[in-house]
Amino acid sequence: KAGVTQTPRYLIKTRGQQVTLSCSPISGHRSVSWYQQTPGQGLQFLFEYFSETQRNKGNFPGRFSGRQFSNSRSEMNVSTLELGDSALYLCASSFGLAGGRETQYFGPGTRLLVL
Amino acid sequence: SQKIEQNSEALNIQEGKTATLTCNYTNYSPAYLQWYRQDPGRGPVFLLLIRENEKEKRKERLKVTFDTTLKQSLFHITASQPADSATYLCAPRGTGANNLFFGTGTRLTVIP
Repeated sequence: KAGVTQTPRYLIKTRGQQVTLSCSPISGHRSVSWYQQTPGQGLQFLFEYFSETQRNKGNFPGRFSGRQFSNSRSEMNVSTLELGDSALYLCASSFGLAGGRETQYFGPGTRLLVL
Repeated sequence: SQKIEQNSEALNIQEGKTATLTCNYTNYSPAYLQWYRQDPGRGPVFLLLIRENEKEKRKERLKVTFDTTLKQSLFHITASQPADSATYLCAPRGTGANNLFFGTGTRLTVIP
């Protein structure tokens, strides 16, 4: 079974631009969660989508948004990029039905550099 | 607010010794606790899950304990090997958004 895929793998943008990242979950998984990882802050939860609806949200500004399509693929958008948005963005998928018992499967991440 | 802390940012141990990593959480009552391993430049990979009514869980050279009174989990790697060098993340799992938070991570280096 194919794993979680993320595109693009690397991205360079300049301040003020916007960016869209894509995540394709494992087949059959309906939950997609997004995380930002930086050396200083660790793995920070952005939001979770389940069946095309945002189900949970972390503590990030409104510049960070996402959506999920009917095939469970998800996109994350960051508008008005800031230098501090440089990070590894990871998505994780799961069935989304069993709460804390469920394992999350992570993609390889998209490394975003903002200049 | 919820807080998940792992004992130290980095831990160096000699090959063959037992590595012990600590995860402490506050303002939270998770029903499960998961541990993940992350190698540089890659996404985390699930290792073990322990339930709140289980005191200990083992898988090969890995052992996890879960003390809901102390609000703490310990993660042990016995007979450690250089290949065990990675960052280890704990993830107390409850409900809602708390279900998806991770600890700060501990970077383990096993020295040959």
